[in-house]
Formats: sequence, C-alpha cells, structure tokens
Amino acid sequence: DAGVTQSPTHLIKTRGQQVTLRCSPKSGHDTVSWYQQALGQGPQFIFQYYEEEERQRGNFPDRFSGHQYPNYSSELNVNALLLGDSALYLCASSRDSNQPQHFGDGTRLSIL
Amino acid sequence: EDQVTQSPEALRLQEGESSSLNCSYTVSGLRGLFWYRQDPGKGPEFLFTLYSAGEEKEKERLKATLTKKESFLHITAPKPEDSATYLCAVPISGGGADGLTFGKGTHLIIQP
Repeated sequence: DAGVTQSPTHLIKTRGQQVTLRCSPKSGHDTVSWYQQALGQGPQFIFQYYEEEERQRGNFPDRFSGHQYPNYSSELNVNALLLGDSALYLCASSRDSNQPQHFGDGTRLSIL
Repeated sequence: EDQVTQSPEALRLQEGESSSLNCSYTVSGLRGLFWYRQDPGKGPEFLFTLYSAGEEKEKERLKATLTKKESFLHITAPKPEDSATYLCAVPISGGGADGLTFGKGTHLIIQP
C-alpha cells in the first residue's frame, strides 16, 4: 500500500520564477494538506483541499495556490519565488477531519 | 492565536536513560493532539493521537500522555534508533478543517 508520494524530490529555481509541486495521497484518503518547513522549524500549514476545493488556509500570501483533482491528487503552485521560499514542502493526506495526517517525504525547494 | 511550545529544543541521552519531552499548547477547544517523529531528510511519521485529558497511548518504548494544558512523550530505555526530531501538533481552532499547528520539535540524540 503506497503512502503519500511527492514529486520532484529536489528542485532549484531562481527568484521570480514559478514552481509546481505534486502530491499523490495515501490510498483511501481524500483530504490533502500542504506545509512549508524551514530548516530547524516545525512544519507551517499552507492550505488544505477537500472535494477539489480549498477548505482552510494558513497565513501564506496569494502567491501560494493549489489544486485538487478528482482522483484526490494535488498540486502546490508558488509564483514570483522569493529567496525566503526556500524550504521543504510537505504534503499530507488524511481520511476524515481530526484523523491523523500522513506525510510524504517532501520536495526540497532551493531558490537562488 | 493557537500556540504549541516544545521543550527542550534538544536532548542528548545515553542509551537506556529514560526521559520525557514536553509539549504545551494554547488552543480554543482542543480537537486532538498529535505526535510525530521526523528523521533527517524525511517527512514526519505519525506516532499517536490523544483526544482527551487523562488519555495515554503506548508504542514500544514510547508513551504519550495528555493533560488540559500539555502533553508528554515519555521514552523508556531508549536505543540509538530512537534518535530523531519529535514534533507535536494540534488542529487549528475555529473551523471544521484540521490544518495542524506544529511546535518546533525536540531534537533527540541517543548515544550508544
């Protein structure tokens, strides 16, 4: 049973560019959340998708947007990249509200 | 505003030396508290969910407990393979979705 898978594993971009990160949830899960984790910090919640809609959003600017497809997979898009966007981006999936979220191993994004 | 504070930030123990990690939280209406383990370069791995004060959960050398203001992760006779960063998290209050607020984690090193 495959867990949460994310692609790519590593990515290097330059300031001002745009990036798309992808996530496939664990089998049987319908809710996908995205987190940003800076070095030495805990993950910070970006947003959550359920039934193809953004259900909840953390304190992130509109440059961060997402999408969920009918098969529950999801994308995170970041526009106008800044140096401060360098981080590990984690995707998590769950079955219902208040159930444990299961994480992928993330995409390491470096901005030059 | 929801807050999760973990202490200590780092802990170095000898193999077999038991100890406890602390997670204190401030949230309006707790809907669960989650413990995760994160290894370097990996996503967080789910350990426990606690829903009400007085609840305890155990898994191998780990036991998690919950009070109305904090949670403890007790590690009994740890082994080097228990070395990791331990994260606790609570669902963001105010809304039916369950994006998580994480603490910064406790970096645990078990020396042989």
